[in-house]
Amino acid sequence: GAVVSQHPSRVICKSGTSVKIECRSLDFQATTMFWYRQFPKQSLMLMATSNEGSKATYEQGVEKDKFLINHASLTLSTLTVTSAHPEDSSFYICSATRTGNYGYTFGSGTRLTVV
Amino acid sequence: DAKTTQPTSMDCAEGRAANLPCNHSTISGNEYVYWYRQIHSQGPQYIIHGLKNNETNEMASLIITEDRKSSTLILPHATLRDTAVYYCIVRVPERTSGTYKYIFGTGTRLKVLA
Repeated sequence: GAVVSQHPSRVICKSGTSVKIECRSLDFQATTMFWYRQFPKQSLMLMATSNEGSKATYEQGVEKDKFLINHASLTLSTLTVTSAHPEDSSFYICSATRTGNYGYTFGSGTRLTVV
Repeated sequence: DAKTTQPTSMDCAEGRAANLPCNHSTISGNEYVYWYRQIHSQGPQYIIHGLKNNETNEMASLIITEDRKSSTLILPHATLRDTAVYYCIVRVPERTSGTYKYIFGTGTRLKVLA
């Protein structure tokens, strides 16, 4: 149980365009989802906390107008990278949590390349 | 900031036990310690978690010191497929939503040698 599906796994987009990444909890309701970014050979950096039905909470230094997060249901959160630039190229990973002391479940990640 | 510190890297011979330490000296009394690993270009995979008693599952054992300020993840018989970055995590309160979030430290890059 506790599977998180992330789509797409890889995406290449042109500079200036927007790209949407989906994160779905397949067999549980996720009241909270998290979005991370990971550059090569670095650790995961938390970007934002996404709560169903409310605005996302962004970590310091993360541009909320550039990284739009929507958590419209208990099983789906989306991250939209707007006006993408080559420096936004990274590995984006989502995770989801249930109530209780369960560990958080991570998606398989999305490799974004902006050309 | 991450509430844990780990050695940057470790090597382990295949078939031997891998012991990965973690310091979490500021952990509060009711917070769990979680361990994950990340194999290249994949999302982190849950391994084990514990509060104060030692824990064991099919993947690993977790030894937590009595004062809870440190813990050790043990992979009893490391294989080449265990080569990964291992993260020890203590959740941090997320101020606005009342939930908790994971802040990742640098983790330990474990290399299992043939």
